[in-house]
Amino acid sequence: QKEVEQNSGPLSVPEGAIASLNCTYSDRGSQSFFWYRQYSGKSPELIMFIYSNGDKEDGRFTAQLNKASQYVSLLIRDSQPSDSATYLCAVNSGAQKLVFGQGTRLTINP
Amino acid sequence: NAGVTQTPKFRILKIGQSMTLQCTQDMNHNYMYWYRQDPGMGLKLIYYSVGAGITDKGEVPNGYNVSRSTTEDFPLRLELAAPSQTSVYFCASWLGNEQFFGPGTRLTVL
Repeated sequence: QKEVEQNSGPLSVPEGAIASLNCTYSDRGSQSFFWYRQYSGKSPELIMFIYSNGDKEDGRFTAQLNKASQYVSLLIRDSQPSDSATYLCAVNSGAQKLVFGQGTRLTINP
Repeated sequence: NAGVTQTPKFRILKIGQSMTLQCTQDMNHNYMYWYRQDPGMGLKLIYYSVGAGITDKGEVPNGYNVSRSTTEDFPLRLELAAPSQTSVYFCASWLGNEQFFGPGTRLTVL
């Protein structure tokens, strides 16, 4: 059973600070990794994907991947109240099938 | 493009009833998926399809059936509804590096 683990939170961060979200996965052969944001009552929307070890930056978001440690993280710089949502980590388990973690609920406090 | 559309948005079923959740995409994507999301949890894959006429089981297929007669449509059938099937159901399609999600169907079985 391929597993993806996240701390369910809630994670509370002051506005303007860096929010750090973490995810571990069990399948060492996994090749691609995704971060989705889900507002309450809405469907998930893709923030970033990452395939290679290291960092990938897109605006205020940075995804970090360490395949040796089976660890993926998402950093959100200059956090805004609009970033308050649940963040889902997902791993491609083959045939473009995603295995999702349980999500981390993030609250940005003004 | 309307993207991925799902009907109905909400439904209440009695135990033992059956229903079909509709999913349509107008992006000509070959890969389509059905997920369920229980409160406070991540998404679990029910069934997926890599093209018209081809379907396969995901993580939690028991109690569900699917068909894929066209590229556009991927309906999910619930037979003999049970309280354990109370959940939010998301349909998705895949292209490139992204899954595109529909708005979801909130199903309650009483």
